[in-house]
Amino acid sequence: GIQVEQSPPDLILQEGANSTLRCNFSDSVNNLQWFHQNPWGQLINLFYIPSGTKQNGRLSATTVATERYSLLYISSSQTTDSGVYFCAVEANQGGKLIFGQGTELSVKP
Amino acid sequence: DAGVTQSPTHLIKTRGQQVTLRCSPKSGHDTVSWYQQALGQGPQFIFQYYEEEERQRGNFPDRFSGHQFPNYSSELNVNALLLGDSALYLCASSLHRLIGNTIYFGEGSWLTVV
Repeated sequence: GIQVEQSPPDLILQEGANSTLRCNFSDSVNNLQWFHQNPWGQLINLFYIPSGTKQNGRLSATTVATERYSLLYISSSQTTDSGVYFCAVEANQGGKLIFGQGTELSVKP
Repeated sequence: DAGVTQSPTHLIKTRGQQVTLRCSPKSGHDTVSWYQQALGQGPQFIFQYYEEEERQRGNFPDRFSGHQFPNYSSELNVNALLLGDSALYLCASSLHRLIGNTIYFGEGSWLTVV
């Protein structure tokens, strides 16, 4: 089945710094989403981005489907950005998401 | 517009017992999927329900079963609980096969098996 790899596994930043999280996937996909999991466990949708570029405030994402990777950019990081960021892909029409292992981000004040 | 709601939020069960978790999908959605997330791991797909039938299933034993009701809400049942079933159980809702279909998750149910 399709494989999803995220890097780096852990990231520690000072408040105000920028960061780039990467997601590689092993086959073509119909859906790619980025999530932020808060300390209480809820997965919060950041982007639906099977291809192209989107921006939402300090966050932006780019997916290059032909090269099978996606990037999540966080600019001017804040302590509230801390948590685990997951990339998930859907390879068929059925709505089954396959998740990467996540990137755990810690933003220090 | 109600999002995905799950209950209970936390529960503790003893090995060998059975548990039922509940999920109501986002308003307007008709498809419910369940995921298990062990500590330090990404969520793993358990199964998906649409039109009250199981449509897809991940690599989970038959101890894991589910149901979808006519109002699209869903239950996840786990029988003969094992210590390894301790995890966060997440419910996801979507609209069946709509291109550009964002999948939304509930806050999850934390299950501890002792």
